[in-house]
Amino acid sequence: EPEVTQTPSHQVTQMGQEVILRCVPISNHLYFYWYRQILGQKVEFLVSFYNNEISEKSEIFDDQFSVERPDGSNFTLKIRSTKLEDSAMYFCASSVTGFSAEAFFGQGTRLTVV
Amino acid sequence: DAKTTQPTSMDCAEGRAANLPCNHSTISGNEYVYWYRQIHSQGPQYIIHGLKNNETNEMASLIITEDRKSSTLILPHATLRDTAVYYCIVRVPNNNYGQNFVFGPGTRLSVLP
Repeated sequence: EPEVTQTPSHQVTQMGQEVILRCVPISNHLYFYWYRQILGQKVEFLVSFYNNEISEKSEIFDDQFSVERPDGSNFTLKIRSTKLEDSAMYFCASSVTGFSAEAFFGQGTRLTVV
Repeated sequence: DAKTTQPTSMDCAEGRAANLPCNHSTISGNEYVYWYRQIHSQGPQYIIHGLKNNETNEMASLIITEDRKSSTLILPHATLRDTAVYYCIVRVPNNNYGQNFVFGPGTRLSVLP
């Protein structure tokens, strides 16, 4: 069964450093997403991406964040200068279309900022 | 997107049906009801969705009341692996923006042996 894969599974970084979280969406999907979940809290939407541009973003997704699809398979989330409060599980997801009920989520990258 | 209300937690005996309610009294006519679940700290997993008719798939059944103000997710024969947080989400599917789901706190379902 096709799946969304995320790397690394766990990343520890120093405050102020840049991190790039990587995702490989399902190959025939056209919409890509990043969500995050701070430990013990709700899953929060960050950004959606379609046709090589951001289609929607939340208030969380400020200038410190950026997304990119550098090639035909990878979808990345970059945090420019990490803060302690960026520590969370980051989930990548993809769907075939914007109407698709089923968004497929990856297993997540646990980011720890120290 | 309409707000949903779910019980914080529920227990269910293994092998029995689990009935998870969701209240969405302010739902609008073109909003769908989606159910996802999150097992431990894994990524959310799609279960089922519907607009106004009852729906069934290999995982679950979705019963939506006639006035669409509430719905119930039914897991017909719960197993220990169904222990998870279950999220009820309502939104209008939008092909311009995709599925930008707003996850609430959900219902923590514990299936007991």
